Amino acid sequence: LAKTTQPISMDSYEGQEVNITCSHNNIATNDYITWYQQFPSQGPRFIIQGYKTKVTNEVASLFIPADRKSSTLSLPRVSLSDTAVYYCLVGAPNTGTASKLTFGTGTRLQVTL
Amino acid sequence: GAVVSQHPSWVICKSGTSVKIECRSLDFQATTMFWYRQFPKQSLMLMATSNEGSKATYEQGVEKDKFLINHASLTLSTLTVTSAHPEDSSFYICSANNRGAGPYEQYFGPGTRLTVT
Repeated sequence: LAKTTQPISMDSYEGQEVNITCSHNNIATNDYITWYQQFPSQGPRFIIQGYKTKVTNEVASLFIPADRKSSTLSLPRVSLSDTAVYYCLVGAPNTGTASKLTFGTGTRLQVTL
Repeated sequence: GAVVSQHPSWVICKSGTSVKIECRSLDFQATTMFWYRQFPKQSLMLMATSNEGSKATYEQGVEKDKFLINHASLTLSTLTVTSAHPEDSSFYICSANNRGAGPYEQYFGPGTRLTVT
């Protein structure tokens, strides 16, 4: 399982764009990159997933360079409610057997006024 | 979307007793479910993989006789913490694998807060 490295914490003001970068130097060819969000005392919630280049949905964008050794989660115009821990994971979904997810330390994002 | 529920959401028990936590996939069948444990301000730690109709696979360092897992149907897995001790107090989270749902495969439950007194 590819190991991921993220900043432990980040601070932002409300309304700013936040970019959280994750390093995954040992990512395998079949691995996808998935980001989860977790609020205190809740289970993780899926944010976005991608394999290469750029993926965008209604809440975030995911940028993946050509070598796929890192990825950046971009949260546009964060609000106080985006204060949470964000986890970057790599793995190969739908490979015929369920793949285990290994959670790294995550990035604790604190948004203030 | 796929929903995973857990019951109870929180439980307090006395030291030495056993506690059962249920994990259900509400609108899909889950051949595989995962159980995690999370201590305050720490990341999720995978405890075991629960496969329907077969024995669970435990991660290194997790006592299988203490954390009993039963995956009796395609929508239900249970985790029983036997002879609980205060150090077992933690946040327990399950996830279910939905292979037919799309590129991402796991949906997480809301978690169960266990406090052992």
